[in-house]
Amino acid sequence: AQSVTQPDIHITVSEGASLELRCNYSYGATPYLFWYVQSPGQGLQLLLKYFSGDTLVQGIKGFEAEFKRSQSSFNLRKPSVHWSDAAEYFCAVGGNPDSWGKLQFGAGTQVVVTP
Amino acid sequence: DTEVTQTPKHLVMGMTNKKSLKCEQHMGHRAMYWYKQKAKKPPELMFVYSYEKLSINESVPSRFSPECPNSSLLNLHLHALQPEDSALYLCASSQDRLRSGANVLTFGAGSRLTVL
Repeated sequence: AQSVTQPDIHITVSEGASLELRCNYSYGATPYLFWYVQSPGQGLQLLLKYFSGDTLVQGIKGFEAEFKRSQSSFNLRKPSVHWSDAAEYFCAVGGNPDSWGKLQFGAGTQVVVTP
Repeated sequence: DTEVTQTPKHLVMGMTNKKSLKCEQHMGHRAMYWYKQKAKKPPELMFVYSYEKLSINESVPSRFSPECPNSSLLNLHLHALQPEDSALYLCASSQDRLRSGANVLTFGAGSRLTVL
């Protein structure tokens, strides 16, 4: 069975500082990996995805993520955080045919941005 | 049009009421989803429609009844709900529903439901 772990429940970062959110997955084959962001009271917005190819993927809002098969990780990074990046971030994995393509979400990481 | 529109944004209902949540998309997507999200938790899948046919029901209680009248619309009919059903209900769509899992979901902003 596939699973996703986001080890950090809560991260506080200063505006202008760099941000890295961790995501580890458990899945036998090559997974399809996603990062979604959710602002308070809003739906989820896709930041980026990895299906195959270049392991460093670029997303919207200046975010990037790197797929590392050896570490079963798909960490999200941003070089310089803006106050508007305060939100909940969810890593998700799809790809298990036995689950009919359902996404498995991590528990989420709450990002707080301080001035 | 690259949006999923959900109405109403907020709904308060009693345990004996019947109400409906609506979801609409005009992106030509053929898969539509209902998710339930409790505070500080990830979304939980409830139902999936693929080409207007129900393809996944995650053992959701019968007080929740989905309906897909056409490829652009998705409804969630609510009846005899319990206070613990209070949550944010998210609709999403994807171009198709691939068993591989390579489904890129577009989410609506959600309907905040409070059951008294």
